[in-house]
Amino acid sequence: EAEVAQSPRYKITEKSQAVAFWCDPISGHATLYWYRQILGQGPELLVQFQDESVVDDSQLPKDRFSAERLKGVDSTLKIQPAELGDSAMYLCASTPGGSWGTDTQYFGPGTRLTVL
Amino acid sequence: DAKTTQPPSMDCAEGRAANLPCNHSTISGNEYVYWYRQIHSQGPQYIIHGLKNNETNEMASLIITEDRKSSTLILPHATLRDTAVYYCIVRVNTGTASKLTFGTGTRLQVTL
Repeated sequence: EAEVAQSPRYKITEKSQAVAFWCDPISGHATLYWYRQILGQGPELLVQFQDESVVDDSQLPKDRFSAERLKGVDSTLKIQPAELGDSAMYLCASTPGGSWGTDTQYFGPGTRLTVL
Repeated sequence: DAKTTQPPSMDCAEGRAANLPCNHSTISGNEYVYWYRQIHSQGPQYIIHGLKNNETNEMASLIITEDRKSSTLILPHATLRDTAVYYCIVRVNTGTASKLTFGTGTRLQVTL
């Protein structure tokens, strides 16, 4: 069964450093999401891509976070500089996209970020 | 998307049915009810979804009340591997792919 791939699985960094996370969605999935999950809470959307275009980045802290999906396939989420409050699980999800809101989202295993 | 209310935690004995409730009293006519679960340190996993009819798949059954203001996810024979946080999500029908709005979910503990 096809899966969403993410790397690294774990990342420890010091505050003010730059970090990057990578996601490879299920082949053929046009829509890609990045979510952030703080311990004890549900995931919250950071950014949504439709192919290579950003559809929703209203919750992305744009002063330090950036995301790209240059060829409409894999995606990178970057934080620069990292802050203590960025410690969280970063989850990537993908869907075929385009159907009437009923498409299932498939999640990757996540990247656990710890900022010291 | 409509707000959902779930109990913070539940216990279930292995082999018994786990019935997880969800209230969504402000749901509108074109909103679907979705259930996802998240096993510790993994990404969320889709379980099932429905609009107004009861649904069943290989993982679970979803029972939606006639007025659609609440629903119940049923795991017919819970196992230890079903221990997870279960999220009930009500999702608007926008015509395009859209985000999931997660709450804090129900932590289900399956015990021997």
